[in-house]
Amino acid sequence: TQLLEQSPQFLSIQEGENLTVYCNSSSVFSSLQWYRQEPGEGPVLLVTVVTGGEVKKLKRLTFQFGDARKDSSLHITAAQPGDTGLYLCAGAIQGAQKLVFGQGTRLTINP
Amino acid sequence: EPEVTQTPSHQVTQMGQEVILRCVPISNHLYFYWYRQILGQKVEFLVSFYNNEISEKSEIFDDQFSVERPDGSNFTLKIRSTKLEDSAMYFCASSSTGGGLSMYYEQYFGPGTRLTVT
Repeated sequence: TQLLEQSPQFLSIQEGENLTVYCNSSSVFSSLQWYRQEPGEGPVLLVTVVTGGEVKKLKRLTFQFGDARKDSSLHITAAQPGDTGLYLCAGAIQGAQKLVFGQGTRLTINP
Repeated sequence: EPEVTQTPSHQVTQMGQEVILRCVPISNHLYFYWYRQILGQKVEFLVSFYNNEISEKSEIFDDQFSVERPDGSNFTLKIRSTKLEDSAMYFCASSSTGGGLSMYYEQYFGPGTRLTVT
């Protein structure tokens, strides 16, 4: 059974600070996707990382896929209140069609 | 921008009743999925559908569940006899490629249907 563990589960910081969210597994994934989910809504895809060691940037968000494709991180620089939300990582397993989701990191950015 | 749509947004039903949740995937996508999220828990995979048949399903997807693509645009999830524990958000997703053929594929999710079983 493939599991993805996210840490921390909850994070509350002040506007302007930097933060990193982690997504870890003992399993290898063919790709890993990061989503953001607002209350009562569906997950919205932010980015997909595919290659071990890959780094992708989306404005102030930096996503990295581990060299062994078992873990990933999301780093936010100079966090803003608009970054508040639930961030989910989801791994794709080669040969399968399902995504395996982490439990999410609930991020609160205080003005 | 193309998006996945779902109806209804909220469905309340009595235990033992049948419900049908509807989804319109992104128009040029070929792979369709249902996931559910019980309040406070992880998003869980239920089933994937390709070429008019189920391609993968989880242990959650038992005989009370079924999926169908009745026409060229809709994709439905039927729960035959609802139980209290079926109360959850149900998300439909679609992708243009599937994991079996591609190293990676991006799944796009709809806004969800909140199912409440009383």
